[in-house]
Amino acid sequence: NAGVTQTPKFRVLKTGQSMTLLCAQDMNHEYMYWYRQDPGMGLRLIHYSVGEGTTAKGEVPDGYNVSRLKKQNFLLGLESAAPSQTSVYFCASSYGGSQPQHFGDGTRLSIL
Amino acid sequence: GQQLNQSPQSMFIQEGEDVSMNCTSSSIFNTWLWYKQDPGEGPVLLIALYKAGELTSNGRLTAQFGITRKDSFLNISASIPSDVGIYFCAGQRGSQGNLIFGKGTKLSVKP
Repeated sequence: NAGVTQTPKFRVLKTGQSMTLLCAQDMNHEYMYWYRQDPGMGLRLIHYSVGEGTTAKGEVPDGYNVSRLKKQNFLLGLESAAPSQTSVYFCASSYGGSQPQHFGDGTRLSIL
Repeated sequence: GQQLNQSPQSMFIQEGEDVSMNCTSSSIFNTWLWYKQDPGEGPVLLIALYKAGELTSNGRLTAQFGITRKDSFLNISASIPSDVGIYFCAGQRGSQGNLIFGKGTKLSVKP
């Protein structure tokens, strides 16, 4: 049982480059989330989705875009990467908004 | 942005000791969650609390949802080496899953 799978696990980008992080869940969860975690900080919500075809902004959405074309996948895009976006990115999913969230193992992104 | 005040920031444990940590907020939450994160991994849910005053156990872990709905604590009894890691509290207000996380409590083994 894979749960929540994030790809890639590591990536180094140059400033201005673009990339997409993929999150896949096999639990048939409706809700999916993208967080970032910076040193000494808790996780902060970037964007989330309450179902296929929907997206909404979280606490720190600037510089990111998301898409939920399929229920099992939630994509996080960086159009023009900036050093301030160096972070560990976590995806999570849940059955419903009040249900516990299950996390992937993260994508470590460095932007030079 | 909103933050939860989690304390202590770090602590050292000796095998067999009991451990306590807590989270406080100036705002009310409907749900409190406690997660543990090991190096290189994502947070893993330990305990979920849904009702003010609720006291819930998961093995050696016990957590409580404060009566004021503005705080929660986590206790670990008889700690063992594998308890080492970072523990996060998280609070939720609405029904869309937006979680607010504390900054974490790092448990390390006493040298």
